[in-house]
Amino acid sequence: DADVTQTPRNRITKTGKRIMLECSQTKGHDRMYWYRQDPGLGLRLIYYSFDVKDINKGEISDGYSVSRQAQAKFSLSLESAIPNQTALYFCATSDHTGVNEQFFGPGTRLTVL
Amino acid sequence: GQNIDQPTEMTATEGAIVQINCTYQTSGFNGLFWYQQHAGEAPTFLSYNVLDGLEEKGRFSSFLSRSKGYSYLLLKELQMKDSASYLCAVRLTGGGNKLTFGTGTQLKVEL
Repeated sequence: DADVTQTPRNRITKTGKRIMLECSQTKGHDRMYWYRQDPGLGLRLIYYSFDVKDINKGEISDGYSVSRQAQAKFSLSLESAIPNQTALYFCATSDHTGVNEQFFGPGTRLTVL
Repeated sequence: GQNIDQPTEMTATEGAIVQINCTYQTSGFNGLFWYQQHAGEAPTFLSYNVLDGLEEKGRFSSFLSRSKGYSYLLLKELQMKDSASYLCAVRLTGGGNKLTFGTGTQLKVEL
């Protein structure tokens, strides 16, 4: 079974709709991250969390919100989706010891029409 | 601001050696990571450098020079499956484990 899972894997929605992307992990990591990836722009950090109820803004948090109600789950919400939020979204986790490399989920491809 | 530069694309021949460069100008430095990403898939961790020098891991090696703000990823005995995007990422000081990514280098391995 995958250590980091994301649902849904693909989503098409309309402008103005509220969307929630879910991330779950079985790695036991305390740190979780949400990124978006756009062609030519690379991965950009949206929000990150170091523990339950801990929320920190990343590079591009406007238009997004997150929730960390349990160590294993980190959800990303788009309150009112707009077309320029069309992107590939990745969740990642890391430990707080050692190299702290980040482990990525399979991604959610979101299209906002 | 943070700036990480990598070539956009590279092409190499199966069985050959290729070097992918990464230069960075960041406010603080606490390690450099290389990730591999096949099209439509998740990035996967390849290597990590925090001190100057070469780290070797099988067919992959990564080098870091902190004074020059420079790293490279060396891939030996190239295989077709190495065709992928290679992402350079810098971990900054004082920000937990946040990474700043370059835009990636798309490597194409040809016969």
